[in-house]
Amino acid sequence: QSVLTQPPSVSGAPGQRVTISCTGSSSNIGAGYDVHWYEQIPGRAPKLLIYANINRPSGVPDRFSGSKSGTSASLAISGLQAEDEADYYCQAYDSSLRDVVFGGGTKLTVL
Amino acid sequence: EVQLVQSGAEVKKPGESLKISCKCSGYSFATYWLGWVRRMPGKGLEWMGIIYPGDSDTRYSPPFQGQVTISGDNSINTAYLQWSSLKASDTAMYYCARTRAGTTSAFDIWGQGTMVTVSS
Repeated sequence: QSVLTQPPSVSGAPGQRVTISCTGSSSNIGAGYDVHWYEQIPGRAPKLLIYANINRPSGVPDRFSGSKSGTSASLAISGLQAEDEADYYCQAYDSSLRDVVFGGGTKLTVL
Repeated sequence: EVQLVQSGAEVKKPGESLKISCKCSGYSFATYWLGWVRRMPGKGLEWMGIIYPGDSDTRYSPPFQGQVTISGDNSINTAYLQWSSLKASDTAMYYCARTRAGTTSAFDIWGQGTMVTVSS
């Protein structure tokens, strides 16, 4: 059970917009630590999608966006495509655990 | 081009030792932290620890402290993850990944992964 809580699964039709939440606490997201998001397509290595809450690395489409408020963060994916089917993870530092934690992961299904 | 190339899949018996590697190229190896992430079958990602090759400063996630050793060799731009006595529960995919500023920054480049299978 991770200290960063994500929904186990989300789904959406092609072209739709979905959001994935990452709920933390006052010792991680609420303490001001940056949240990062990764995409892992089955059989592939994870890929950085969003760093420091809202920033996209070069090459990541602007369909992907991140936000953060209070003790939570969110990843939004607009214009869903079949290739977006993957597991998505949030990551942040936790000062109580003195550890870096990942959320439990969210499986995105494109209907 | 920045690349992290990991060593190949391993099949080991419980109690055996193992050292897997992550060869880094295309950037200054000594000036970025290099970390290891585990993904057990059917589970999510777990942060294991990181090393700063410039001075060998190493940080471990508490569950992995004492269970694995992270090291690096600046002369060949390679980082390592090693076990002295493997357990069946070490069966997992292991990824190395680069990060700029240690525990609070993102892993921006990842290796392809090394599958470790521990079975009698």
